[in-house]
Amino acid sequence: GQQVMQIPQYQHVQEGEDFTTYCNSSTTLSNIQWYKQRPGGHPVFLIQLVKSGEVKKQKRLTFQFGEAKKNSSLHITATQTTDVGTYFCARTDYGGSQGNLIFGKGTKLSVKP
Amino acid sequence: DTGVSQDPRHKITKRGQNVTFRCDPISEHNRLYWYRQTLGQGPEFLTYFQNEAQLEKSRLLSDRFSAERPKGSFSTLEIQRTEQGDSAMYLCASSARPGWGSDSGANVLTFGAGSRLTVL
Repeated sequence: GQQVMQIPQYQHVQEGEDFTTYCNSSTTLSNIQWYKQRPGGHPVFLIQLVKSGEVKKQKRLTFQFGEAKKNSSLHITATQTTDVGTYFCARTDYGGSQGNLIFGKGTKLSVKP
Repeated sequence: DTGVSQDPRHKITKRGQNVTFRCDPISEHNRLYWYRQTLGQGPEFLTYFQNEAQLEKSRLLSDRFSAERPKGSFSTLEIQRTEQGDSAMYLCASSARPGWGSDSGANVLTFGAGSRLTVL
């Protein structure tokens, strides 16, 4: 399955600033998932988006799925030091036996207090 | 249930040795996945099981790698004749079998803490 592309690779922000990471695919996605991995930790599921144009919010985090279902974004308002980590988007690979997730390379967020 | 457990957490071995990792998934989950992650990269798919059946293997998985899930519960990942390039974090994840329908919340992975392999 084709990998999803994430930009930027790194983002350094001052605490209180906003942050956005983008996930792009050359093919139409059936759904997109977002995971967060803290330094030294393992990926933890955040959200799944399924519908065209879907927007979901979790406190300061806003997730969007593009109208064409080829891109997605994660926006964090007023970052805090607890937001530090790497954010991955992942697509379902239906090319095999309908199962595995293909992860992007992630956006690593650092927050300066 | 305490989530996905992996053992050992760290393994240091010499090149050419065999290593085995174990994963105990969440008991209600019938799907189990193995991923590999190197520094600065996203998790890279290796293989997955539905119950005891190994449904898919990545082309990246050489014949030195073998995974089993004999009774559909825990799984082992063995690497034979380790090479320095095998050094990585080996992540196990489990999920419930996806349901039909696009909004079923399907295939959400719960990861274990990982087994870090260092090959000297």
